Amino acid sequence: QSALTQPASVSGSPGQSITISCTGTSSDVGGYSHVSWYQQHPGKAPKVMIYDVSNRPSGVSNRFSGSKSGNTASLTISGLQAEDEADYYCSSYTSSSTWVFGGGTKLTVL
Amino acid sequence: EVQLVQSGAEVKKPGESLKISCKASGYSFTSYWIGWVRQMPGKGLEWMAIIYPGDSDTRYSPSLQGQVTISADKSIRTAYLQWSSLKASDTAMYYCGRLMGRNEELPFDFWGQGTLVTVSS
Repeated sequence: QSALTQPASVSGSPGQSITISCTGTSSDVGGYSHVSWYQQHPGKAPKVMIYDVSNRPSGVSNRFSGSKSGNTASLTISGLQAEDEADYYCSSYTSSSTWVFGGGTKLTVL
Repeated sequence: EVQLVQSGAEVKKPGESLKISCKASGYSFTSYWIGWVRQMPGKGLEWMAIIYPGDSDTRYSPSLQGQVTISADKSIRTAYLQWSSLKASDTAMYYCGRLMGRNEELPFDFWGQGTLVTVSS
């Protein structure tokens, strides 16, 4: 299975909103409502920010939201803050009963 | 408190075998899937494998099937990832993680601190 496709980088200024896309196929993103998004700061373990396309785990800011249309999922971060600067990875359940990650997107807060 | 504590960094030669571990505490070990994610130097996350310690059911990434083995010992609440013959391309940070629930379609919600594996002649 191939990695999901994400933009290599996105940037935004504090207070702005950004959206990161994640494109797969009908065998992963398009076929299931099990898409997650992880945030990873340098040298740290990932942290799940969104699961099942749009659900936020307890403790995650409501500035983070997720959606999906067809084979593409999206993560939106509103009211950007300096602490949001990190790498973001999407992940989808697949028809092989496994998961696949996206290539990752580096978010820079200008 | 859920905790996953991984074994320490390893330096190995190509062709050697290796088994790294992830000891769980703070939850019912047999009721949650647990698995491994690889991150090569400067690269992204790669989902590797998961195991359900309750019945040892496993899932492997199709691209890694046969290259690694995941296992778990319920008696000591520990999951393992092992290689029979390491390659230089296995050099990476390996994270263990617990899935959010009994359902394998849930994401990882708790993580270990990572185990750095370096394979070099």
